[in-house]
Amino acid sequence: DVVVTQTPLSLPVSFGDQVSISCRSSQSLANSYGNTYLSWYLHKPGQSPQLLIYGISNRFSGVPDRFSGSGSGTDFTLKISTIKPEDLGMYYCLQGTHQPFTFGSGTKLEIK
Amino acid sequence: QVQLQQPGAELVKPGASVKLSCKASGYTFTSYYMYWVKQRPGQGLEWIGGINPSNGGTNFNEKFKSKATLTVDKSSSTAYMQLSSLTSEDSAVYYCTRNYYFDYWGQGTTLTVSS
Repeated sequence: DVVVTQTPLSLPVSFGDQVSISCRSSQSLANSYGNTYLSWYLHKPGQSPQLLIYGISNRFSGVPDRFSGSGSGTDFTLKISTIKPEDLGMYYCLQGTHQPFTFGSGTKLEIK
Repeated sequence: QVQLQQPGAELVKPGASVKLSCKASGYTFTSYYMYWVKQRPGQGLEWIGGINPSNGGTNFNEKFKSKATLTVDKSSSTAYMQLSSLTSEDSAVYYCTRNYYFDYWGQGTTLTVSS
């Protein structure tokens, strides 16, 4: 199985900060057609996960442009600029290139 | 708007089976794969498997192949996941989610396995 290592586990922030979350995979997530299925989600307590970014860097409908994704191969980053209260929660990356699809272990974005 | 409706909770006894449902609306049901994801209390997200509602074709995480059965009812735009031989390890929240990049999610069904 592809192992996705997500760091950091915890990210204490102040509102207005800019932060980055990293996901590294144990093998390249680019398939033979050149597509890379790497997505990012925010999961708030009592809610279902919500898609933020898909295909490395594509923002999902309605996602503010303070969220951005980048990377290639095995190394991917989610950046959040100007953190707001509604951004607090658990962030997960997901690789959907290789079965079984695997999630990172999560990053908890919390107030300092 | 796309919606995936799941029952909030199920309580079942150890050794029993349960069939969880996910009713889709707001889009053409047969156009997108439906996937299922498990989250145990205090744990991360785990991919169980997926089904193509158009032809019933499935793919699974090997870990869940003997545990989960995926089906659909096209007439009611509903996806189902049956879990068998339940133990306490199966107590979790189960989400259904659409499409290969998991764009829309149900609210999740909290399954409690207890006598």
